[in-house]
Amino acid sequence: EAGVAQSPRYKIIEKRQSVAFWCNPISGHATLYWYQQILGQGPKLLIQFQNNGVVDDSQLPKDRFSAERLKGVDSTLKIQPAKLEDSAVYLCASSLWGLAVRETQYFGPGTRLLVL
Amino acid sequence: GNSVTQMEGPVTLSEEAFLTINCTYTATGYPSLFWYVQYPGEGLQLLLKATKADDKGSNKGFEATYRKETTSFHLEKGSVQVSDSAVYFCALRPRSTGNQFYFGTGTSLTVIP
Repeated sequence: EAGVAQSPRYKIIEKRQSVAFWCNPISGHATLYWYQQILGQGPKLLIQFQNNGVVDDSQLPKDRFSAERLKGVDSTLKIQPAKLEDSAVYLCASSLWGLAVRETQYFGPGTRLLVL
Repeated sequence: GNSVTQMEGPVTLSEEAFLTINCTYTATGYPSLFWYVQYPGEGLQLLLKATKADDKGSNKGFEATYRKETTSFHLEKGSVQVSDSAVYFCALRPRSTGNQFYFGTGTSLTVIP
């Protein structure tokens, strides 16, 4: 079974530029999550999708971050414009349904973003 | 609210030493508890989990017991190997929401030969 795929693996941009990250979850997984992991911290949830609908985006900085999962499969996270404090690893995760408290999330390798 | 507190690292151990990484939590409701491991340059992988009080999760020689009375889920391994060098994250998922994970800040472990 293929895991969660993310691209690119690394990205370096200057502040005020735009950047987009792509995630393809495990086949058949209905729930997709985007996390931000700042160096030395644990992952923080940015947004959660159930199929193509948003379940939770309360911690997404909506003035600059956007995400979509139009067909309920792969997803794109965009930052426009980027700030220095956006430097982090952006992790995508998926789970089968996302509703059961016992359910495991499976993580991709992450995209490491550096904003100069 | 929901939160996880882990012991601060970094932790450096010699091969075959005993490992304990402390984790305590605060949660509304009755959470499930998880340990994830992150190897250099990789994403997080589930190491083990426990879904109710007194459950013991185990995998690859690692163990953690869900202690409701002390709100703890400490990670242990009797004999660490160099290949265990990684960052370990404790996480909870509260039953009240059933969705969001709350992660600790992570504990970096380095095992030297």
